[in-house]
Amino acid sequence: EIVLTQSPATLSLSPGERATLSCRASQSVSSYLAWYQQKPGQAPRLLIYDASNRAAGIPARFSGSGSGTDFTLTISSLEPEDFAVYYCQQCSNWPLTFGGGTKVEIK
Amino acid sequence: EVQLVESGGGLVQPGRSLRLSCAASGFSFDDYAMHWVRQAPGKGLEWVSGISWNRGRIGYAESVKGRFTISRDNAKNSLYLQMNSLRAEDTALYYCAKDMGILRGLLITARNDFDYWGQGILVTVSS
Repeated sequence: EIVLTQSPATLSLSPGERATLSCRASQSVSSYLAWYQQKPGQAPRLLIYDASNRAAGIPARFSGSGSGTDFTLTISSLEPEDFAVYYCQQCSNWPLTFGGGTKVEIK
Repeated sequence: EVQLVESGGGLVQPGRSLRLSCAASGFSFDDYAMHWVRQAPGKGLEWVSGISWNRGRIGYAESVKGRFTISRDNAKNSLYLQMNSLRAEDTALYYCAKDMGILRGLLITARNDFDYWGQGILVTVSS
């Protein structure tokens, strides 16, 4: 099973600041990595697929990068609606696995 | 508009069974792989099981293997999860999720990422 480790667990930032979230895989997943955003009481929403492609309707301030074992989700300038929990997920091998999540909170 | 609506959850005693259903609409259900993902209260996401469009590929998380069975009825646009020998640690919100899929030739192949999710159904295992 591929283990995904996200860091930091919590990121305290102000609106307008840049957020950088990390996801590290225990073995290579090539570019088969997705990022999701989840707000309280809501289902997760797909943000990024194939490590760097924005899903439909996702604003350009969200970007993903990386390949192999190290990946980054960047939010260039935080909007109030971006404060949420973010999960990475490897799509390479079954069983599919998620990282533990990074909570982006208002400082 | 894609809609996924889960049903069948509730309170169940340890060791008993429960069957979840997911009614899909707004897309060609029989073209896409489907998945179940769960989230224990206050915890992260856990993939539970997935099934290809034609049931040719089925997979489970180790935590549920041998106890849970995924199935689908393409004629009814429905996905199911039969959960047996339930444990307290199975308590979670269970989401039905659609595989984003990718067109390869004439078939849509599973991508293993999830572009649409239901709102989830709560399963509580407790005596």
